[in-house]
Amino acid sequence: SQQGEEDPQALSIQEGENATMNCSYKTSINNLQWYRQNSGRGLVHLILIRSNEREKHSGRLRVTLDTSKKSSSLLITASRAADTASYFCATVLTGGFKTIFGAGTRLFVKA
Amino acid sequence: EADIYQTPRYLVIGTGKKITLECSQTMGHDKMYWYQQDPGMELHLIHYSYGVNSTEKGDLSSESTVSRIRTEHFPLTLESARPSHTSQYLCASSEHRTDYGYTFGSGTRLTVV
Repeated sequence: SQQGEEDPQALSIQEGENATMNCSYKTSINNLQWYRQNSGRGLVHLILIRSNEREKHSGRLRVTLDTSKKSSSLLITASRAADTASYFCATVLTGGFKTIFGAGTRLFVKA
Repeated sequence: EADIYQTPRYLVIGTGKKITLECSQTMGHDKMYWYQQDPGMELHLIHYSYGVNSTEKGDLSSESTVSRIRTEHFPLTLESARPSHTSQYLCASSEHRTDYGYTFGSGTRLTVV
């Protein structure tokens, strides 16, 4: 797998359900970030979790980080149709000199 | 999202033309980046800058060039466009700190015919 690989590639859920996306990486990181991208637009920064943190919350978003498994998950609770977008994880490597974006998870929330 | 501006939003040009994609940010960020992204695919870093008069090539080989004469401005130039350059180009900026996220522009969708 590549650094910052998301799983699943695509996810389709009903409005009101929770959506969980996962990100795995290979090398040690300084921090991990999640971004959202609406179709044809730029990325929007959602949340950052540092390597010494295990969980962070922001509104309906919950991010966990397991450095022993080199993985992170993004949970969106009570999803809405407006959450339909692609979600990318970005790993900032130790030293902070390089940031690698994954290929993203495409989330479809049906009304 | 309104603090980093990319123009044009869409561009269709003929093969062999020279083009410049503009990117400006009003946040005073030291670091700026250009990414190339095909639809539904991952982002590939093509150029970056850590400050005025500092530019580096990224991971993806690119026939483009960049300049950073002013902190707020980071234009990308293609000397001779080819159909293989058809893609979306995203500009981003960030503070110097490593624990700070990127701010992205809305992108330029380039089609070379």
